[in-house]
Amino acid sequence: DGGITQSPKYLFRKEGQNVTLSCEQNLNHDAMYWYRQDPGQGLRLIYYSQIVNDFQKGDIAEGYSVSREKKESFPLTVTSAQKNPTAFYLCASSTRSTLGLKYIQYFGAGTRLSVL
Amino acid sequence: AQKVTQAQTEISVVEKEDVTLDCVYETRDTTYYLFWYKQPPSGELVFLIRRNSFDEQNEISGRYSWNFQKSTSSFNFTITASQVVDSAVYFCALSEAGGAQKLVFGQGTRLTINP
Repeated sequence: DGGITQSPKYLFRKEGQNVTLSCEQNLNHDAMYWYRQDPGQGLRLIYYSQIVNDFQKGDIAEGYSVSREKKESFPLTVTSAQKNPTAFYLCASSTRSTLGLKYIQYFGAGTRLSVL
Repeated sequence: AQKVTQAQTEISVVEKEDVTLDCVYETRDTTYYLFWYKQPPSGELVFLIRRNSFDEQNEISGRYSWNFQKSTSSFNFTITASQVVDSAVYFCALSEAGGAQKLVFGQGTRLTINP
C-alpha cells in the first residue's frame, strides 16, 4: 500500500535533548512538508523540501532542523533550542508531475511529542 | 500574505441535519487552489477536495457539496443528512499555484454529530 509513514506515534523529550521524528513515503512524491499543530489550532509549516538535498524554512523553523538525503525520507529533528516542543507533528508529501494530483498534499498519521 | 479564516470554532448538530462549514480566504494571487481536509480523532488529515481559482462550479460528492464564490472569497462546505461518522475537525486551506505549493490552513471547525 502506498502512503506516508510517521514514527514513532508518541515521543517524549527530556530537557536539553534533541529528538528526531521519522517520515517515509513510498508514493514517489517529489515534495515533502512538516507541519506543527497545537491544540485547537490549524497547522503551521515548519520546513519543506521540493527536491532531494534541498529544503527551505517555513513559518516556524526556529528550533527545528531537517535533512532530505533520499526522496523517500524527510526526518525532522526537534532541537533543545525549541523551548515549547509539545505538539502534534504532521508530515505530508505531494507530487509535482501528475497533473490531476498536483498541489494535493497527503498526510501521515502524525507524531505526538511531549516534554517530560 | 495569504490567510484563511474559519470563523466557526465548534458546531454541534443532531444526526440527519444539514450543516455548512464556512471558509473565507485572502490572497493577492490570481491563480490559487483551495482545499478541504478532514481530521478524525485518529489525527491523520484526509483530503476531501481541491478547487482551482478558475473553476467556480459548485461540486457535489454524495452527501458533500462545496460552494466556491470568488466574489466573496468564500469556499463553504455543506454536509447533507449528517451522520455520526462525520464528526471530526475540518480544515480549509489555500495554496499558491506553482512554486513550493505551500498550504495555509484555517483554524479548523470541530463538528460534532449527535445521535
